[in-house]
Amino acid sequence: AQSVTQLDSHVSVSEGTPVLLRCNYSSSYSPSLFWYVQHPNKGLQLLLKYTSAATLVKGINGFEAEFKKSETSFHLTKPSAHMSDAAEYFCVVSSWTDKLIFGTGTRLQVFP
Amino acid sequence: SQTIHQWPATLVQPVGSPLSLECTVEGTSNPNLYWYRQAAGRGLQLLFYSVGIGQISSEVPQNLSASRPQDRQFILSSKKLLLSDSGFYLCAWQELAGHTDTQYFGPGTRLTVL
Repeated sequence: AQSVTQLDSHVSVSEGTPVLLRCNYSSSYSPSLFWYVQHPNKGLQLLLKYTSAATLVKGINGFEAEFKKSETSFHLTKPSAHMSDAAEYFCVVSSWTDKLIFGTGTRLQVFP
Repeated sequence: SQTIHQWPATLVQPVGSPLSLECTVEGTSNPNLYWYRQAAGRGLQLLFYSVGIGQISSEVPQNLSASRPQDRQFILSSKKLLLSDSGFYLCAWQELAGHTDTQYFGPGTRLTVL
């Protein structure tokens, strides 16, 4: 069975400093992995997706994630945080039935 | 390009009243459609999904129901709302062409049951 664990429920950074949001997955086959972002009272927006091509995936708004099979991780990073990055971030793995399995989310706070 | 709409954006309803939330998708044909609920401070819970007109699968037993009367229309309903039905409801679509598993989400409906 597939599952995903987001290791931090809250992350706080200062504007201009790097962002790291951690995600570990469990899958019995080569999975598709996603990161979505949700701003308050908004829908989820796809940041990036891994589908067994390049292990380093570049997304929108300067975010990227690296698929590490040996560590079963798919951490999301950004070199320099912006105030507008403050939001909830979800790590997601697809199941063999095409349903998505969501992590519990990481709330990113960005301080000036 | 594809777009997904949900309405209403916000809704306040008394306990015991009926519910109808609508989701429509434009720019794609025969998508998979999904209803999720997000309770305050929690992750997403899949409620229903549909692979075609009239085909509904329920993930969680509850007093909600879903219908798909048209290819790109997905409706979430209840005959009598409970307090526990409060939450943020999200509709999503998934394109079957190319067998992509990416889901794209609507803007959501905030439901408060009093």
